[in-house]
Amino acid sequence: AQKITQTQPGMFVQEKEAVTLDCTYDTSDPSYGLFWYKQPSSGEMIFLIYQGSYDQQNATEGRYSLNFQKARKSANLVISASQLGDSAMYFCAMRVSLRDMRFGAGTRLTVKP
Amino acid sequence: EAQVTQNPRYLITVTGKKLTVTCSQNMNHEYMSWYRQDPGLGLRQIYYSMNVEVTDKGDVPEGYKVSRKEKRNFPLILESPSPNQTSLYFCASSLSSTSGGVLTDTQYFGPGTRLTVL
Repeated sequence: AQKITQTQPGMFVQEKEAVTLDCTYDTSDPSYGLFWYKQPSSGEMIFLIYQGSYDQQNATEGRYSLNFQKARKSANLVISASQLGDSAMYFCAMRVSLRDMRFGAGTRLTVKP
Repeated sequence: EAQVTQNPRYLITVTGKKLTVTCSQNMNHEYMSWYRQDPGLGLRQIYYSMNVEVTDKGDVPEGYKVSRKEKRNFPLILESPSPNQTSLYFCASSLSSTSGGVLTDTQYFGPGTRLTVL
């Protein structure tokens, strides 16, 4: 069965520093997509970044990068130069099929001024 | 503006009183789905639809119904709500694109509906 694990319920980071949010996954399917979403206190889900299982290079989107280590089955999100507006809940998700979209429990990131 | 809309945004109801949460998207997406979000559990898929008149169960379908009569609309129906269905509900849509056999579609989420069943 597919599974996504986020082991950090909460994280703190100083403004302008980088932070890594951990995500590990478990699947026996060789084809899958990995996603990160941000949920601010207002509640909406905002797509951040995507990584396909066959992608050779780590995905990057502005200040977000995904540290994809396939052998270790990890897909950590790195946020560089943290801003106060980055304070939010972050969800890692994996998609193996149209039916199977799994989300982790989330990590609450707080950026300190 | 491309968006997914949900109504109502907030709803307080009582056990057993049928309710419908509407979801509509204006991006001509084939794929739509419903999730519920509960603390410590992340989001869990309730139902999904691959196109008009094509729906299927997700991980937690008990107590819910859906229909897809039009491409843009995907309502969630609670025939007899119970307190354990108190949750934050999200509708999402996507194009269902693939690349090299991998689903690459980005799901666009609605703003969420916070439901309380007393």
